[in-house]
Amino acid sequence: DAKTTQPNSMESNEEEPVHLPCNHSTISGTDYIHWYRQLPSQGPEYVIHGLTSNVNNRMASLAIAEDRKSSTLILHRATLRDAAVYYCILTTSGTYKYIFGTGTRLKVLA
Amino acid sequence: EPEVTQTPSHQVTQMGQEVILRCVPISNHLYFYWYRQILGQKVEFLVSFYNNEISEKSEIFDDQFSVERPDGSNFTLKIRSTKLEDSAMYFCASRQTQGGIDTQYFGPGTRLTVL
Repeated sequence: DAKTTQPNSMESNEEEPVHLPCNHSTISGTDYIHWYRQLPSQGPEYVIHGLTSNVNNRMASLAIAEDRKSSTLILHRATLRDAAVYYCILTTSGTYKYIFGTGTRLKVLA
Repeated sequence: EPEVTQTPSHQVTQMGQEVILRCVPISNHLYFYWYRQILGQKVEFLVSFYNNEISEKSEIFDDQFSVERPDGSNFTLKIRSTKLEDSAMYFCASRQTQGGIDTQYFGPGTRLTVL
């Protein structure tokens, strides 16, 4: 089973920031936190990943709690194209398969 | 930007027929994966492949399934005798080991419909 917990759905207004939370209380010291999103009828798309420090890239920011038991994906200005299911995934050292949960379905309102 | 490609985008087959789904991973990647997603359900891991052999497989990946890297670029998933419940989206993914970071890149998927 997935080791992460995410809300089933969230809504945001267009051009506003969105904070997507993920709980991973059983994370181990070597687990990376990966975020992917899946647009309708498409494959999962890599968004961002991190280990301990906060990370920024052109798509999003990742804020990781100091105890690493939770993280937040931040979309700085949501657009209609950001409407997707967002998955938070832990990658466990030694076994590299991804275990997907149900993710958070983000709805962006115009 | 390099990407994983998959063909065909949609495959329709009769129950009991064999199908082969094809993937071209990113060229310098070493690890390859197949996942599936039944409509409305989670993405599920099927199999991982490295150095020309299966490194891990799930319970779903039974004797009806096989994978192969027939040449230096393609990675295939074969289903020998399709069942209705094999209808799903099948995603190929690849990974390049880079400092221990396991970032997989997914293809757009093949929609398999078994009639």
